[in-house]
Amino acid sequence: DAGVIQSPRHEVTEMGQEVTLRCKPISGHDYLFWYRQTMMRGLELLIYFNNNVPIDDSGMPEDRFSAKMPNASFSTLKIQPSEPRDSAVYFCASRRGQGFYEQYFGPGTRLTVT
Amino acid sequence: GENVEQHPSTLSVQEGDSAVIKCTYSDSASNYFPWYKQELGKRPQLIIDIRSNVGEKKDQRIAVTLNKTAKHFSLHITETQPEDSAVYFCAASDSGSARQLTFGSGTQLTVLP
Repeated sequence: DAGVIQSPRHEVTEMGQEVTLRCKPISGHDYLFWYRQTMMRGLELLIYFNNNVPIDDSGMPEDRFSAKMPNASFSTLKIQPSEPRDSAVYFCASRRGQGFYEQYFGPGTRLTVT
Repeated sequence: GENVEQHPSTLSVQEGDSAVIKCTYSDSASNYFPWYKQELGKRPQLIIDIRSNVGEKKDQRIAVTLNKTAKHFSLHITETQPEDSAVYFCAASDSGSARQLTFGSGTQLTVLP
């Protein structure tokens, strides 16, 4: 199993540009989570999906952020327009089932907005 | 919602000594408590977890204890080694089907050789 895959691993963009982060969950996992990690705020849950349906997006900081999961093997997190305060590491994680199962994290995307 | 507090934020120990990291949670409905280890530049990885029907769980040099009455849980690492140096996060999840995790702020553990 390749684990959770994220791309790109690093992204440097200028303020105002659109940024799209991508995630491929582990096959068979029906929950997908997007997190943001910063020194100031730690690990924050942004949004999660169950069976491709967004369930809770209360952690999405602003309307500039949006996420989609068009199928079971792909999700995107989009920031438009990006701002310097969006600079962070964005993790995608997936999990199977409703029981006490481990969340597996992807390698993360380090986003720098200048 | 759930609030998880973690202490200390940094911890330095000599190789071979024990390390203890403590967390408290606010939601009495929380019933699953994982611990993640994150090495520099890497992803968080689960090292041990405990459910609310258990008071203690051990895995080699790592143990976790849970006090549901006081709503706190702790990570214990014995015979620490330099490779234990990392950031450790505690988390708590509710009893909902999604088991959303609320993470503590992390503890930077440094094991001095």
